[in-house]
Amino acid sequence: GAVVSQHPSRVICKSGTSVKIECRSLDFQATTMFWYRQFPKQSLMLMATSNEGSKATYEQGVEKDKFLINHASLTLSTLTVTSAHPEDSSFYICSAGNPRGGNYNEQFFGPGTRLTVL
Amino acid sequence: GIQVEQSPPDLILQEGANSTLRCNFSDSVNNLQWFHQNPWGQLINLFYIPSGTKQNGRLSATTVATERYSLLYISSSQTTDSGVYFCAVCTGGGNKLTFGTGTQLKVEL
Repeated sequence: GAVVSQHPSRVICKSGTSVKIECRSLDFQATTMFWYRQFPKQSLMLMATSNEGSKATYEQGVEKDKFLINHASLTLSTLTVTSAHPEDSSFYICSAGNPRGGNYNEQFFGPGTRLTVL
Repeated sequence: GIQVEQSPPDLILQEGANSTLRCNFSDSVNNLQWFHQNPWGQLINLFYIPSGTKQNGRLSATTVATERYSLLYISSSQTTDSGVYFCAVCTGGGNKLTFGTGTQLKVEL
C-alpha cells in the first residue's frame, strides 16, 4: 500500500520548452500532494503544496508562474515547468500523504523525475 | 523555520559493522520520518517515529522528542544499505516536511 508513481522518470528538453511531470497515488486518495526539488549532493527542498480542487501553495522563493501545479483529482497532481532553462535542471520528487488507515501526516514519495534542460 | 541537522555527513563502513545516525531538530515536531534514498533517487520509508522506539529487522530508531533528537541504528550493515539517509520533520499542526542535511553511507566488502 501507499505507492506513489511519477512520469516521466527522465526528460531532456531544449531551453524555452515546457515540461509536464505527473504524480499519481496508485492505491490511495490524496487530497494533498507535495513537490520537492533536489540538486546533486543536496537535501530535498519543498517547492509547493498541491491541494485537490484548489490553488497550490508555494514556498518562499518559488515562482508560481514558472512552476504550474494542477491537482485535478484525488490521485493525480501535475507539475509543469514553463519556459525551462538550464538552471531548472534538477531532480523533481513528489509525495502524497495520509492514506486512509495510515499514520497522520506520514508521506510517501514517488521515484522522482530527472530533468535536464539543454 | 525549523533547523534539522544530521550527523555524521559521511560514513564508510565495512560490511557487518554497526552504525548510529543522528538527527537533531530545533523545535518541537509532530512527525518525524527516516528515509533511505537509494542510488536511483527513490526515497524509501524506513520509520514514522515522532516519539518512542521502533524496530524493523536490522534497523531500529529512537526519537526523544523532549530533547529534540532522533537516532537511526543500522546493525550488521550490508552493501545494499549504501545510499543517503534523511530524517524529515513536521512542526506545529502542519504536514509540510523539512528535510535534514542527510548522511551519505557507503558499505564496503
